[in-house]
Amino acid sequence: SQTIHQWPATLVQPVGSPLSLECTVEGTSNPNLYWYRQAAGRGLQLLFYSVGIGQISSEVPQNLSASRPQDRQFILSSKKLLLSDSGFYLCAFERNTEAFFGQGTRLTVV
Amino acid sequence: KNEVEQSPQNLTAQEGEFITINCSYSVGISALHWLQQHPGGGIVSLFMLSSGKKKHGRLIATINIQEKHSSLHITASHPRDSAVYICAVHFQGAQKLVFGQGTRLTINP
Repeated sequence: SQTIHQWPATLVQPVGSPLSLECTVEGTSNPNLYWYRQAAGRGLQLLFYSVGIGQISSEVPQNLSASRPQDRQFILSSKKLLLSDSGFYLCAFERNTEAFFGQGTRLTVV
Repeated sequence: KNEVEQSPQNLTAQEGEFITINCSYSVGISALHWLQQHPGGGIVSLFMLSSGKKKHGRLIATINIQEKHSSLHITASHPRDSAVYICAVHFQGAQKLVFGQGTRLTINP
């Protein structure tokens, strides 16, 4: 069966520190992968999506970057976090029009 | 422009009421998803539709391709149905999902 793993579930990081959130997918190959962010009280905003290894599309200019080193691995990173990076980050994958979502990471930058 | 609009943004109802949440989109789609997000933040996929109607327990999802509109219905609503319901659309020829802003549903006992 198809599953998606995202970690950590919660994270508190100081301003200026680096970030690495990892998402891995099982039970499928060549999925479309997504990173979304949800600020408090707001809807989901697409940050990055990937249709293949090494192929990353950025939706909004920001302090974050994404990488896809393997077919089923998607990583969200930052070299130096800002207070405005706080929020709920969600990884998702889509394959043959079915969509699956990770449990999310609640990031608080202090 | 590929857009997704949900209504209402917020909905409060009493336990047992019939609930309807609406989603409209701008151009042709290949799939539409209804998602549920609980206060903890995790998202669960409820339905994936490309035509017609689907039912799972007390939840019913319908889509009208000609009118570019979908509805999510909850029968005999219960406080545990309280969550944010999100419509997400995969537009034809597009590579990514586009999300509505969500509908915050609160069911009071």
